[in-house]
Amino acid sequence: KQEVTQIPAALSVPEGENLVLNCSFTDSAIYNLQWFRQDPGKGLTSLLLIQSSQREQTSGRLNASLDKSSGRSTLYIAASQPGDSATYLCAVRGGSGGSNYKLTFGKGTLLTVNP
Amino acid sequence: EAGVAQSPRYKIIEKRQSVAFWCNPISGHATLYWYQQILGQGPKLLIQFQNNGVVDDSQLPKDRFSAERLKGVDSTLKIQPAKLEDSAVYLCASSPRTGFTNTGELFFGEGSRLTVL
Repeated sequence: KQEVTQIPAALSVPEGENLVLNCSFTDSAIYNLQWFRQDPGKGLTSLLLIQSSQREQTSGRLNASLDKSSGRSTLYIAASQPGDSATYLCAVRGGSGGSNYKLTFGKGTLLTVNP
Repeated sequence: EAGVAQSPRYKIIEKRQSVAFWCNPISGHATLYWYQQILGQGPKLLIQFQNNGVVDDSQLPKDRFSAERLKGVDSTLKIQPAKLEDSAVYLCASSPRTGFTNTGELFFGEGSRLTVL
């Protein structure tokens, strides 16, 4: 059974700092990995999707990397801004066994960027 | 392109009452998902549809939850009777078909927040 862990659970940084959010998964037989952002009381907004054959994806100040063999992904946020404050969720598609297209979510990292 | 639409945004009911949530996915998206998100947790898949057929409903509490996707477009999730532990945000998502697999990028709606008193 695929399990996804996100560390840290919460992170508070001053504005302008570069930061890294971590995601680990137990089964490396994945199809892709997706990072989401969730603002309080809102749905999830897709940030980046990395296919299993890719090593990284970039969008603006965001860069996500994937090391499938070690079961890890990182989301790098450059020059953080107060507007980046939100919960960031990692979701992995796939794993061995049945329902191998299933998406498994981590619990998220709550990011606070202080002005 | 219009996003995933959900309604209602908020619902407060008493335990043992019933409630229904509606979702309209992004046009052309074959796959539709219903997730339950309890405060402080990641979303948990309740049911996944491919067109109007059920792909995965292994975590749907079938004694009280039901869902349908008639005509393969919009979908309704119903809870009857509701329990206190059903208080959560119910998220609908859709994804495009990618060849023969269900591995497309997910797009979520704003969610429906349910409070059971």
